[in-house]
Amino acid sequence: GQQVMQIPQYQHVQEGEDFTTYCNSSTTLSNIQWYKQRPGGHPVFLIQLVKSGEVKKQKRLTFQFGEAKKNSSLHITATQTTDVGTYFCAGTNAGNMLTFGGGTRLMVKP
Amino acid sequence: ETGVTQTPRHLVMGMTNKKSLKCEQHLGHNAMYWYKQSAKKPLELMFVYNFKEQTENNSVPSRFSPECPNSSHLFLHLHTLQPEDSALYLCASSQAGTFNNEQFFGPGTRLTVL
Repeated sequence: GQQVMQIPQYQHVQEGEDFTTYCNSSTTLSNIQWYKQRPGGHPVFLIQLVKSGEVKKQKRLTFQFGEAKKNSSLHITATQTTDVGTYFCAGTNAGNMLTFGGGTRLMVKP
Repeated sequence: ETGVTQTPRHLVMGMTNKKSLKCEQHLGHNAMYWYKQSAKKPLELMFVYNFKEQTENNSVPSRFSPECPNSSHLFLHLHTLQPEDSALYLCASSQAGTFNNEQFFGPGTRLTVL
């Protein structure tokens, strides 16, 4: 079955440093989605990427979809304490099933 | 609010108890999901219902029994659980079969099995 892997599993950064999480799928995806789960909260949808090589920005967050539509990345510039949480990628396969990666837990030291 | 509600928010039960988790979505979606979230497996898909029909059952033990009486409501019936079943149980909904299939999650039920 489809597998979606995320690295790293955990990341500690100093406030102001950049952060990147990577997502890789075993199969070609029709779209990739990113979610954020704050501590004690539930996953909340951030963005969806559909086109090969697509790049989207949300303030300090930059999302990329690979040319082969099998990998993606989320980059946060100048992290803030409000960025703390777990970031999940989720890929949709040809059967329209959404599969979540294992998540990257981001911790920011003030 | 995400439009997906779950009750109860917290549940403590013994291994011989029977309880049910409830999920309701107010978004007009046609698909609903149960996930288990624990330290070992951050988001583990348990069941999927499309148009009230169960389409996925990811090798979940029979002590978990889902029920979807209509497209807005989803239940998870629990009986003779084990302590390792303690986790956060998340419900989600989406509009399956469409371009924008993002999932909307409820706040979850924190389950503790003694």
